[in-house]
Amino acid sequence: GAGVSQSPRYKVTKRGQDVALRCDPISGHVSLYWYRQALGQGPEFLTYFNYEAQQDKSGLPNDRFSAERPEGSISTLTIQRTEQRDSAMYRCASSPRGREYNEQFFGPGTRLTVL
Amino acid sequence: AQSVSQHNHHVILSEAASLELGCNYSYGGTVNLFWYVQYPGQHLQLLLKYFSGDPLVKGIKGFEAEFIKSKFSFNLRKPSVQWSDTAEYFCAVRAGAGNNRKLIWGLGTSLAVNP
Repeated sequence: GAGVSQSPRYKVTKRGQDVALRCDPISGHVSLYWYRQALGQGPEFLTYFNYEAQQDKSGLPNDRFSAERPEGSISTLTIQRTEQRDSAMYRCASSPRGREYNEQFFGPGTRLTVL
Repeated sequence: AQSVSQHNHHVILSEAASLELGCNYSYGGTVNLFWYVQYPGQHLQLLLKYFSGDPLVKGIKGFEAEFIKSKFSFNLRKPSVQWSDTAEYFCAVRAGAGNNRKLIWGLGTSLAVNP
C-alpha cells in the first residue's frame, strides 16, 4: 500500500509568513509523529497524536508552532510568523496500533526554507 | 535530559570491510533502541530495534546490534559492507516505561563505502 506522504516536498517562504505542512499517514495507522531535522543534525521530536488526540507536544519549540489531526488521519503542522531559524526538514511518521516500540514509518519530508 | 551520542560522524570504508558504528545513550531506566537508515534520496527506514529479550538483535541486510546495558550502548555492526550500504545511519532511543513514544535521536553517521 501507499506509504506516508507529505506535501509540499519543498517550501520556500519569506520571514513572517505562515506555512502549513501536511502529512498523510499510512491508512489505518493510529499514531502520527512530527519531527524537525536541521542540517547535520538528527531528527528532533516535535509532537505526536494517537487518533485525533495530541498526546505529547513537548517538543514544539514555541507557540508559533501548532499541529492538528482533526479526524485522526491527515495532520497539519502550522508555523506562524516564520523565522529563518525555522528552516529545516520537517518529517512525519506514522505507526500502527500497538506497542510503544513499534516501528515508525517515515515520509519523504518537507524541506522548509525561510528567507 | 536524555541524549544519544553517535561517536562517528563520517565513516569511509572499502567494500568487504567490517563496520561498527557506536551509539551511547544517557538514561538509567527502561529503553527501547532503534537504528534507522536513510539511503540517498530515500526515506528514513528501520534497520533493527531492541525492546526486550536477547540483547543481540539482527536486522535487515545483514546488520546486527548489541545492547549492552552496563555500557548504555547499542552499537551497530556488519561483518562485510557493500557499496549499497552507503547511507546515513541514526540511532534513536525511547526512554521510560508506559506510553511515552518520543524518540531521542543521535546526530547520525554518514557512511561512504568505496567499491
